[in-house]
Amino acid sequence: GAVVSQHPSRVICKSGTSVKIECRSLDFQATTMFWYRQFPKQSLMLMATSNEGSKATYEQGVEKDKFLINHASLTLSTLTVTSAHPEDSSFYICSASTDKETQYFGPGTRLLVL
Amino acid sequence: GDSVTQMEGPVTLSEEAFLTINCTYTATGYPSLFWYVQYPGEGLQLLLKATKADDKGSNKGFEATYRKETTSFHLEKGSVQVSDSAVYFCALGGLNRDDKIIFGKGTRLHILP
Repeated sequence: GAVVSQHPSRVICKSGTSVKIECRSLDFQATTMFWYRQFPKQSLMLMATSNEGSKATYEQGVEKDKFLINHASLTLSTLTVTSAHPEDSSFYICSASTDKETQYFGPGTRLLVL
Repeated sequence: GDSVTQMEGPVTLSEEAFLTINCTYTATGYPSLFWYVQYPGEGLQLLLKATKADDKGSNKGFEATYRKETTSFHLEKGSVQVSDSAVYFCALGGLNRDDKIIFGKGTRLHILP
């Protein structure tokens, strides 16, 4: 149980375009979903926390208008990277939780902006 | 602020060697402690956790004991395998009202056959 999926797993796009990444909890309802960014050989950086039906809470330094998060249901959250640039290339990981104890992570989405 | 410090890698061991990856934390309050593992090309998986002092988390031969007196949660395994090669993240959470988890920087482990 407690499976989280992400789609797509890998995406290549041109600079200036927008990319949407989906995060789904497949067999449970997630009260909270998180979006992380992972740079090569570094830890996960929390970008934002989203609760179903409410606005996401962004971490300091993360541009809200750049990284749009929508949490439409208890099983789906989306991250849209708007007007992507090469510096946005990274590994984006979502997680979902039902309580304060455990987060279940998706497999990640590798974004490459040319 | 709350933080997690873990030993820098990479750590390279031979198969069947004993493994220790050190992790210490700083937190206001009483966090839950976690070890996550990230295999090559994959997302993070929860390896084990402990929710209160002196608890021992264990899974797949790995163990870690929540030591409040030393604010530590060191990961150990008696005999590593090549398949254990991965990046290991120590983390804390369960503080405050939110579900945030604070991660250490990760330790890359290479196991040689």
